[in-house]
Amino acid sequence: TQLLEQSPQFLSIQEGENLTVYCNSSSVFSSLQWYRQEPGEGPVLLVTVVTGGEVKKLKRLTFQFGDARKDSSLHITAAQPGDTGLYLCAGDHTGTASKLTFGTGTRLQVTL
Amino acid sequence: SAVISQKPSRDICQRGTSLTIQCQVDSQVTMMFWYRQQPGQSLTLIATANQGSEATYESGFVIDKFPISRPNLTFSTLTVSNMSPEDSSIYLCSVVRRGGDIQYFGAGTRLSVL
Repeated sequence: TQLLEQSPQFLSIQEGENLTVYCNSSSVFSSLQWYRQEPGEGPVLLVTVVTGGEVKKLKRLTFQFGDARKDSSLHITAAQPGDTGLYLCAGDHTGTASKLTFGTGTRLQVTL
Repeated sequence: SAVISQKPSRDICQRGTSLTIQCQVDSQVTMMFWYRQQPGQSLTLIATANQGSEATYESGFVIDKFPISRPNLTFSTLTVSNMSPEDSSIYLCSVVRRGGDIQYFGAGTRLSVL
């Protein structure tokens, strides 16, 4: 089993703060995906990063794929209560999403 | 994206019984998967549901405990057999569309075993 370790496990911050979530592995992935899961729902894809060193921005969220394609980070600027949820990274070895390895998860709570 | 309907959304079951979970997709998909997510935890892949043939199970999961069917390109079922309290989890179906490289997830089935 190829493990994907996420840190921190839990994060409780106030609205307006910035945060970074890390996803680390010893394996090389063809791509890495970030999902957010809200209570009572399935994970929803936020972004896929494919190229080493790639940076993608989605409004206040910035995703980076490590140069060696073994790690990734998610940075949220000026967090809002709507950002609350479980953030999951998932590594894909196949390039076709036919076998995803999910990270350990980061639970984020943003309070007013 | 793909619209995925999972039924039931939640259930409370007695020890020793079985529950079948259904996953229906609004379009033909190439791959369907079943995951387990224990409370507050990440996702663990149970198996890949193969159309017209036996599912491919991951280490630690066996067909006798988690029989899976996939009769066509839009439908699959997962049965949790002879349940014990340790089977209390969220069970999630996901799919990959033809030509795609993204997994889309259903809302999950929340199972509690007493």
